[in-house]
Amino acid sequence: ETGVTQSPTHLIKTRGQQVTLRCSSQSGHNTVSWYQQALGQGPQFIFQYYREEENGRGNFPPRFSGLQFPNYSSELNVNALELDDSALYLCASSLSAGVSEQYFGPGTRLTVT
Amino acid sequence: AQSVTQPDIHITVSEGASLELRCNYSYGATPYLFWYVQSPGQGLQLLLKYFSGDTLVQGIKGFEAEFKRSQSSFNLRKPSVHWSDAAEYFCAVGNAGNNRKLIWGLGTSLAVNP
Repeated sequence: ETGVTQSPTHLIKTRGQQVTLRCSSQSGHNTVSWYQQALGQGPQFIFQYYREEENGRGNFPPRFSGLQFPNYSSELNVNALELDDSALYLCASSLSAGVSEQYFGPGTRLTVT
Repeated sequence: AQSVTQPDIHITVSEGASLELRCNYSYGATPYLFWYVQSPGQGLQLLLKYFSGDTLVQGIKGFEAEFKRSQSSFNLRKPSVHWSDAAEYFCAVGNAGNNRKLIWGLGTSLAVNP
């Protein structure tokens, strides 16, 4: 059974640029949630996708957007990057929507300079 | 407001000693409660969860937690800590209603002395 994978592991971007982060969910999971974890903080919920539709969103501006594909993999897109976007971005997959057990990937460390 | 408080930012224990990590929550609906562990460079791993039923729940790696509704607490315990338990521990709360997002505490960093 393949776990949740994320790519890339690290990346550095410049303020104002755009970035796309990718997540492959665990086999059989149709729900993906994205979280932002700033240094020394707990994760903050960005949004959740269930069967290719957005299914709940946290307090993040519209420049944070996402997609889920038919194979349930997902992308997180961030436009007009700001310095405060520097964080660890975590993807988690689960068997269904709602608060069921989530399986997390190792994260993507984004640094905005 | 919905929130999770982990009062201890950092805890140091000796290997073999017992451990209790505190978690208090404020939540309007029936809470679903979780404890996750995060090792350096690793993703979050679920230790245990409480949805309903027996208020003492057993998890992986010898951890347990007790849900106390009257105290709005869900403290994590382990009778004997191993050096490999050194990590960051997060408590989270959510429900299966309209609000599907998890709310997380700031975490407790655990150091283990040999």
